[in-house]
Amino acid sequence: GAVVSQHPSWVICKSGTSVKIECRSLDFQATTMFWYRQFPKQSLMLMATSNEGSKATYEQGVEKDKFLINHASLTLSTLTVTSAHPEDSSFYICSARGSQGWGRFETQYFGPGTRLLVL
Amino acid sequence: GDSVTQMEGPVTLSEEAFLTINCTYTATGYPSLFWYVQYPGEGLQLLLKATKADDKGSNKGFEATYRKETTSFHLEKGSVQVSDSAVYFCALSDRDNFNKFYFGSGTKLNVKP
Repeated sequence: GAVVSQHPSWVICKSGTSVKIECRSLDFQATTMFWYRQFPKQSLMLMATSNEGSKATYEQGVEKDKFLINHASLTLSTLTVTSAHPEDSSFYICSARGSQGWGRFETQYFGPGTRLLVL
Repeated sequence: GDSVTQMEGPVTLSEEAFLTINCTYTATGYPSLFWYVQYPGEGLQLLLKATKADDKGSNKGFEATYRKETTSFHLEKGSVQVSDSAVYFCALSDRDNFNKFYFGSGTKLNVKP
């Protein structure tokens, strides 16, 4: 099946630094990519939707200057947490919307997630 | 707004036991319903889905029926295996806006031999 990777799988950083998380679709072209955030024992919450070559659409309450999203190609989207603080510590999951092969239905494929800990 | 509520875990069962994980939803429109599974260290994988009322999704022995009257989409399996140990997420998507997925909090299943 389709594979979406995320890098790094976990990161620890100091408060005030910026952290970049990559999301790649490995064997298909993703028309749209999504970024989710998950707190312990809570639901995945959609943060933003990004389409290749255009600005990301952020959900209400998500700071676009805090969480910078760049969808530079059909296989890569990046999420940069700027000036990270301890409250940004969370599990970040991306998904990519696309299809494998001609005529197949589009669906969403999820990455394994990136655990961020800000000290 | 749209939301999903699923039973809290962890759920611990012996191999070959019957599994039910409850999921109920709130939606203003006519959503599609999904169950995703996440194995340790891996991404979420689509397990099954149903796109309209009374549809039954099934895969790998798991099944769930879209019940509009009770706004439920409970996951069942007749005989679980150790390899089924994972976290299971119930989710809905707004049919008018495929981009919007709403997830439950996840239920961890532990199956003991």
